[in-house]
Amino acid sequence: DTGVSQDPRHKITKRGQNVTFRCDPISEHNRLYWYRQTLGQGPEFLTYFQNEAQLEKSRLLSDRFSAERPKGSFSTLEIQRTEQGDSAMYLCASSGRTSGYNEQFFGPGTRLTVL
Amino acid sequence: AQSVTQLDSHVSVSEGTPVLLRCNYSSSYSPSLFWYVQHPNKGLQLLLKYTSAATLVKGINGFEAEFKKSETSFHLTKPSAHMSDAAEYFCVVSQASGTYKYIFGTGTRLKVLA
Repeated sequence: DTGVSQDPRHKITKRGQNVTFRCDPISEHNRLYWYRQTLGQGPEFLTYFQNEAQLEKSRLLSDRFSAERPKGSFSTLEIQRTEQGDSAMYLCASSGRTSGYNEQFFGPGTRLTVL
Repeated sequence: AQSVTQLDSHVSVSEGTPVLLRCNYSSSYSPSLFWYVQHPNKGLQLLLKYTSAATLVKGINGFEAEFKKSETSFHLTKPSAHMSDAAEYFCVVSQASGTYKYIFGTGTRLKVLA
């Protein structure tokens, strides 16, 4: 068990560009979450997958954001036409039956800077 | 709806003195409550969790928290602060079923003075 991993750890992009982040959850975890953390704030829920199904999306997830988990394993979060307000830390977490669904394990995050 | 309020954005203590980080929650359901710590450039690490068992919860590194339903509080304490405790601490509430999504407080930055 290597924990939750995220790639890349840092991304700098220009406004208007598209970016994609990847999250690899703990292998036996079927639940996966994305959160966004802006400077000085706590993380905010973005979206939730159970296996490959995206079951809940926050209103924070505008039309420019899309998330997938095609085979119920890794997940990607894409942001199209990035804006400066998208600059934040994007966190992925996973949970599963073995550890209790109500305990989430977090990855190190992807820090996005939009210039 | 669920929410969590961390009453102090910054707390400073001297090394070796007690730590108290305050958290109040609101929940329509029977909540699960957590404290996570975030060190600079590190991921979120679980300190402890309350999931309707014992109301006094012991966690890692000497931290503990007490669930008080009548006060809707879940304050984090440690008898003696260590320099390595300096970090950002988040109180979290989630439903005990369903999506189990987390609602985070705004965080408390703990500073430990030598």
